[in-house]
Amino acid sequence: EAGVVQSPRYKIIEKKQPVAFWCNPISGHNTLYWYLQNLGQGPELLIRYENEEAVDDSQLPKDRFSAERLKGVDSTLKIQPAELGDSAVYLCASSRGLAGAKQFFGPGTRLTVL
Amino acid sequence: DQQVKQNSPSLSVQEGRISILNCDYTNSMFDYFLWYKKYPAEGPTFLISISSIKDKNEDGRFTVFLNKSAKHLSLHIVPSQPGDSAVYFCAASENAGANSKLTFGKGITLSVRP
Repeated sequence: EAGVVQSPRYKIIEKKQPVAFWCNPISGHNTLYWYLQNLGQGPELLIRYENEEAVDDSQLPKDRFSAERLKGVDSTLKIQPAELGDSAVYLCASSRGLAGAKQFFGPGTRLTVL
Repeated sequence: DQQVKQNSPSLSVQEGRISILNCDYTNSMFDYFLWYKKYPAEGPTFLISISSIKDKNEDGRFTVFLNKSAKHLSLHIVPSQPGDSAVYFCAASENAGANSKLTFGKGITLSVRP
């Protein structure tokens, strides 16, 4: 079974530029999560999707962050414009139905904003 | 306010000995607890979990103990192996099923010395 796929693995951009991250969850997993992990911290939830619906986006900074999961499978997280403080690892995770707490993580995208 | 606390940032243990990783939580609504293991440049991987109706769960060399009254859990690794060297995250949720939201601690870096 293929795991959660994320791309790119690394991204370096200048501040004020846009950036997008892509995630393909494990096949059959209807729930998809985007997490932010700062250095020395645990992952923090940004947004959770149930199929194509964003059911928890309370921690997503909506002035500059957006996300979509149009067909209920893969998802894109976008930052526009990026700020220096956005430098972090962005993790995508997925889970299946009633076992929602057991989440499977992708390798993450390490973003560096210069 | 950190609802899940891993107060020791690092632990060093001799190969073959026991590793004990501790975690405390403050939210009495947490009902399900998980440990994740993370190697550098990889996403966290699920290790073991425990429901609040239990006080112990064992899987091979890994055992998680839960003390609800003290709001404390611990992960025991016996015997420790060099391949166990990684960052370990404690996570908690108010339920194990759908609509689960994981709250992570900051992680503990375990080093197992050969």
